[in-house]
Amino acid sequence: NAGVTQTPKFRVLKTGQSMTLLCAQDMNHEYMYWYRQDPGMGLRLIHYSVGEGTTAKGEVPDGYNVSRLKKQNFLLGLESAAPSQTSVYFCASSPGRTSGFQETQYFGPGTRLLVL
Amino acid sequence: DQQVKQNSPSLSVQEGRISILNCDYTNSMFDYFLWYKKYPAEGPTFLISISSIKDKNEDGRFTVFLNKSAKHLSLHIVPSQPGDSAVYFCAALNNNDMRFGAGTRLTVKP
Repeated sequence: NAGVTQTPKFRVLKTGQSMTLLCAQDMNHEYMYWYRQDPGMGLRLIHYSVGEGTTAKGEVPDGYNVSRLKKQNFLLGLESAAPSQTSVYFCASSPGRTSGFQETQYFGPGTRLLVL
Repeated sequence: DQQVKQNSPSLSVQEGRISILNCDYTNSMFDYFLWYKKYPAEGPTFLISISSIKDKNEDGRFTVFLNKSAKHLSLHIVPSQPGDSAVYFCAALNNNDMRFGAGTRLTVKP
């Protein structure tokens, strides 16, 4: 039981390049989330999903797209990376039995992204 | 706009003493509050939560207090242990709008 895993752990991009961050969970959770963490800012929600095939915007969605084609996977895409997207990205999941956001969220170890 | 603030970036306490971490919020619509703990190079882990209908929730050494009129919550750790050294984030929730504070780095000295 690996919990929540994130791929890759670290990546360097040039401005304008694209990439996809992969999040996978093996807990059969309904809800999945993508956050970014910046110094002095705490975590900010980018997008979330309440089930397979659904996605919704969070606090800071601009510049990102997401897809939840399979229940266990939640992909975060950057179509044209910008230096402002340099951050640590965390994926999380929660069971979704009641109110997913109030339930314990299980976080992955993070992906450190540097955009030059 | 930072709707959730942790005004103390760091806190240092002696092992065995009480640690008090504070969190203030501005949006009165928040009705659920959580604390997460984060070690370096790991994702945050859930610690404790409280609904706005309560003013206290306790789980072992951890107690969260909520003062709605002051829009303030605090996390008490008694007794503090060196393994508690981590960054602590408070979070506030209104439906699917979840906001985190910037975190407080707690150091517990042996």
